[in-house]
Amino acid sequence: DTEVTQTPKHLVMGMTNKKSLKCEQHMGHRAMYWYKQKAKKPPELMFVYSYEKLSINESVPSRFSPECPNSSLLNLHLHALQPEDSALYLCASSQDPVGYGYTFGSGTRLTVV
Amino acid sequence: AQSVSQHNHHVILSEAASLELGCNYSYGGTVNLFWYVQYPGQHLQLLLKYFSGDPLVKGIKGFEAEFIKSKFSFNLRKPSVQWSDTAEYFCAVNAGNTDKLIFGTGTRLQVFP
Repeated sequence: DTEVTQTPKHLVMGMTNKKSLKCEQHMGHRAMYWYKQKAKKPPELMFVYSYEKLSINESVPSRFSPECPNSSLLNLHLHALQPEDSALYLCASSQDPVGYGYTFGSGTRLTVV
Repeated sequence: AQSVSQHNHHVILSEAASLELGCNYSYGGTVNLFWYVQYPGQHLQLLLKYFSGDPLVKGIKGFEAEFIKSKFSFNLRKPSVQWSDTAEYFCAVNAGNTDKLIFGTGTRLQVFP
């Protein structure tokens, strides 16, 4: 299995809702990532987990809450989002050393209404 | 802080033309370099990467890139583009000893038959 799987593919949520994005990889990769990509923009790093511990938080608002239950799973819990949070959320994982490459999932297209 | 610059924001070519997309980064230490492609409506795919060794790297779909350390550059080339190469191209840099992968602003390539 050489993929990063993200669910759901599409999500529409209200500003008062609570929802979660899920990401799974079975490649034995050490690190997992959340990126946010707005239309016609590059992906922006949000969080990095290394060995299931949060190692990087790029000053992301607390309405985004990451969780890494085990080495294969990564969640992003969403609460009280704003319409400007609508974007494509990408999950990625990387081998060790990271120079060997990052593998990206196909993303969750999130719309906040 | 590391940064990545892609000066060509939008490139328009005819089929069979040669392609070169620029990528410059600012980081003085060891780097790992990547080019990703994103076809319309699709997820990021790795074209090629430089980790170590030969600075001229070959990737998928006939693409290649050359790492020139003295110029902090990692330009992408293809001798003869096809209509199917129409996509967004992102250069990305990982500074050694970190997990961060930072993307350039992207270059939109349009190839006309």
